[in-house]
Amino acid sequence: DQQVKQNSPSLSVQEGRISILNCDYTNSMFDYFLWYKKYPAEGPTFLISISSIKDKNEDGRFTVFLNKSAKHLSLHIVPSQPGDSAVYFCAAKWGAQKLVFGQGTRLTINP
Amino acid sequence: DSGVTQTPKHLITATGQRVTLRCSPRSGDLSVYWYQQSLDQGLQFLIQYYNGEERAKGNILERFSAQQFPDLHSELNLSSLELGDSALYFCASSVEGSQETQYFGPGTRLLVL
Repeated sequence: DQQVKQNSPSLSVQEGRISILNCDYTNSMFDYFLWYKKYPAEGPTFLISISSIKDKNEDGRFTVFLNKSAKHLSLHIVPSQPGDSAVYFCAAKWGAQKLVFGQGTRLTINP
Repeated sequence: DSGVTQTPKHLITATGQRVTLRCSPRSGDLSVYWYQQSLDQGLQFLIQYYNGEERAKGNILERFSAQQFPDLHSELNLSSLELGDSALYFCASSVEGSQETQYFGPGTRLLVL
């Protein structure tokens, strides 16, 4: 049972444009959502998070949007830079329960 | 550099063998988590320890076990290894056991031949 889904395994965006990574979840109990970024041969790195009481959180070029009614989460990166090329994982949890990760989306930023 | 260290970086072994993966959390972090990432798969949570005690269990096989020591480092023991156990094993740590933000180590790549 895949509670957190990232339906796009890969995404290609031109440098300077906006990258939008999507994530859907099925468990309405989730109350905290996170995005992690992973480079090859490295562990995932925390990027940004959002609590279920909010619908938007912004940190520099990164903004996460949460649509609870649609059970949908998205990460916007603007403007996209070559160093943003990585695999992005969304994750969700409720209470003190374990983090549940999506399958990841490989983002490639083209010059 | 997340501050979480894992050893070894790579491990090649044969089926039926037993290996131990080691993780040192960030200074001050009490909680350690173990994840498995198989080829083209997401991160699968295995187990969590908080201050020496098991806190949560995920999809961890009975052939696998873990512990957290008084100095807070953790070891993941994998026994009776099978080909399908070949994967990246990540350790993460957080200050408390609430798992809100976890900091990941670089991982151990295990290859079972």
